[in-house]
Amino acid sequence: KAGVTQTPRYLIKTRGQQVTLSCSPISGHRSVSWYQQTPGQGLQFLFEYFSETQRNKGNFPGRFSGRQFSNSRSEMNVSTLELGDSALYLCASSLVYAGGIGDEKLFFGSGTQLSVL
Amino acid sequence: DQQVKQNSPSLSVQEGRISILNCDYTNSMFDYFLWYKKYPAEGPTFLISISSIKDKNEDGRFTVFLNKSAKHLSLHIVPSQPGDSAVYFCAANPSNYGQNFVFGPGTRLSVLP
Repeated sequence: KAGVTQTPRYLIKTRGQQVTLSCSPISGHRSVSWYQQTPGQGLQFLFEYFSETQRNKGNFPGRFSGRQFSNSRSEMNVSTLELGDSALYLCASSLVYAGGIGDEKLFFGSGTQLSVL
Repeated sequence: DQQVKQNSPSLSVQEGRISILNCDYTNSMFDYFLWYKKYPAEGPTFLISISSIKDKNEDGRFTVFLNKSAKHLSLHIVPSQPGDSAVYFCAANPSNYGQNFVFGPGTRLSVLP
């Protein structure tokens, strides 16, 4: 069974540009969550989608947005990039609800390393 | 305000000895805890979990202990192996439906041969 696939693996952008990252969840998984990882901050929750609907959103500015398609694939978009947006962006899928009930586990992709110059 | 804390950014242990990684949390609504392991250039992978109704869960060389009164959990790795060198994240799951995992900042474990 294929794992969570994120593309691209690496991105270099300049301030003010926008970027779109893509995530294909494990087949059959309907929930997709996005996290930002920066040194010393751990994984900061961005948002979660389930059945094409955003179910939950973390404490990030509106420049960060996402969507989920009918095949459960998800994209996240960051507009007007800032230097502080440089981070590893991780996508995770789960079968039902990410963290909603009991021991539902997250399965992570390898991430997209975004560098903003 | 971090709800899940891992106060040791790094830890070095000799191969064959015990590794103890600690995690503290502040939200008493957390009822399920997980440990994830992350190698460079890879996404985190699930390692072991524990429900709040238990105080210990064991899986091979990995044991997680939970002290609810102290809001503290720890991951023990015995014996430690060089392949265990990675960043370990503690994560907590609130009991509220629709809430999402809260991760700690991680502890980098180095197992020295």
